[in-house]
Amino acid sequence: DAKTTQPPSMDCAEGRAANLPCNHSTISGNEYVYWYRQIHSQGPQYIIHGLKNNETNEMASLIITEDRKSSTLILPHATLRDTAVYYCIATFYEEGNKLVFGAGTILRVKS
Amino acid sequence: ETGVTQTPRHLVMGMTNKKSLKCEQHLGHNAMYWYKQSAKKPLELMFVYSLEERVENNSVPSRFSPECPNSSHLFLHLHTLQPEDSALYLCASSQTRVTGELFFGEGSRLTVL
Repeated sequence: DAKTTQPPSMDCAEGRAANLPCNHSTISGNEYVYWYRQIHSQGPQYIIHGLKNNETNEMASLIITEDRKSSTLILPHATLRDTAVYYCIATFYEEGNKLVFGAGTILRVKS
Repeated sequence: ETGVTQTPRHLVMGMTNKKSLKCEQHLGHNAMYWYKQSAKKPLELMFVYSLEERVENNSVPSRFSPECPNSSHLFLHLHTLQPEDSALYLCASSQTRVTGELFFGEGSRLTVL
């Protein structure tokens, strides 16, 4: 699985968009990008995943660059409840059960 | 509420005790997982079950013994643990094991004295 690099922490004002970057420069053609988040003392929560095209669901949008070497998770209107550790994971779809979680990005949403 | 329930939420045990962690999923999924999250460390995959068959054992010491009696229930039997085994133990499930969309429980916080 490709290694991913994320900033250790970010701050965001409540109500503003939170843009969380992830670098995966060694990603191969059939590796997916998954995003999870973990709110303090809870289990991780799946957010979104994608391969090539941008994806959107009720929680977030995922923007993947054309060369697929990086991606950005966008929370359009961050709230205090979005404060969490966000994990970006690159993995082969058929090995999705072997998700490797890194250190992630601590997102602090401030009022 | 993720549809994955773990009990107990907190457990304190001595090194000579035997205890079990329980996980139950109400999602009709076919795969279940145990992960370990130690303080200041990333999540580590321990075991994967698919259709009640163990398909992954990530070099976990034998003092951790998983059991999957049916596709809805998963246990982690603990015996002769060490203080360094203190961690948050997370159970997850997924539709099948060839997907990265996992549903996690809230975890069982284990302290070994």
